[in-house]
Amino acid sequence: AQSVTQLDSQVPVFEEAPVELRCNYSSSVSVYLFWYVQYPNQGLQLLLKYLSGSTLVKGINGFEAEFNKSQTSFHLRKPSVHISDTAEYFCAVSPMDSSYKLIFGSGTRLLVRP
Amino acid sequence: DVKVTQSSRYLVKRTGEKVFLECVQDMDHENMFWYRQDPGLGLRLIYFSYDVKMKEKGDIPEGYSVSREKKERFSLILESASTNQTSMYLCASSYGGAGTYEQYFGPGTRLTVT
Repeated sequence: AQSVTQLDSQVPVFEEAPVELRCNYSSSVSVYLFWYVQYPNQGLQLLLKYLSGSTLVKGINGFEAEFNKSQTSFHLRKPSVHISDTAEYFCAVSPMDSSYKLIFGSGTRLLVRP
Repeated sequence: DVKVTQSSRYLVKRTGEKVFLECVQDMDHENMFWYRQDPGLGLRLIYFSYDVKMKEKGDIPEGYSVSREKKERFSLILESASTNQTSMYLCASSYGGAGTYEQYFGPGTRLTVT
């Protein structure tokens, strides 16, 4: 079985400051890793994904994430946030032996203040 | 541009009513999914379908059923709505497995059962 833990339910940050949203996972098999974003009153949108290769993955809107296999983590970072980044962010994993499934974390609400 | 549409953004139903939530995708995707989103719990998979008339239970199928008579349409059915089914329901579709193919989400239906 797999589980995903997002350690922070809410992260307040000032505009133009850097941010890191933390994600840890547990799995008995290898997994693919994802970050999705949900803007207010919208569905989820894929930010980035890690399938294989380089552990640093770049996504849309200036976000990047780093896969750390030894720490089973996939933290999301942005060097300088904008007001428009205010949204809920979900980390998710998909087990390689059952790739239809996505298992989501509980989400982190990023609140960017002026 | 992939589009996943859901029949209602907001729905209010009474306890015991039969409720239909409809989802339509326009990209000829093989797979369709129904998730439930609750604060602090993230998204949980209710059912998914990998082909017309084919379905598989997700993590929380109790109290729900699904129907996929046409490739583009996937319906979620609450046979007898209960107050603990008050939630946000998200539909998604994808061409293939989550590892390779992105899941595209609809805007969600916020269901209130009174």
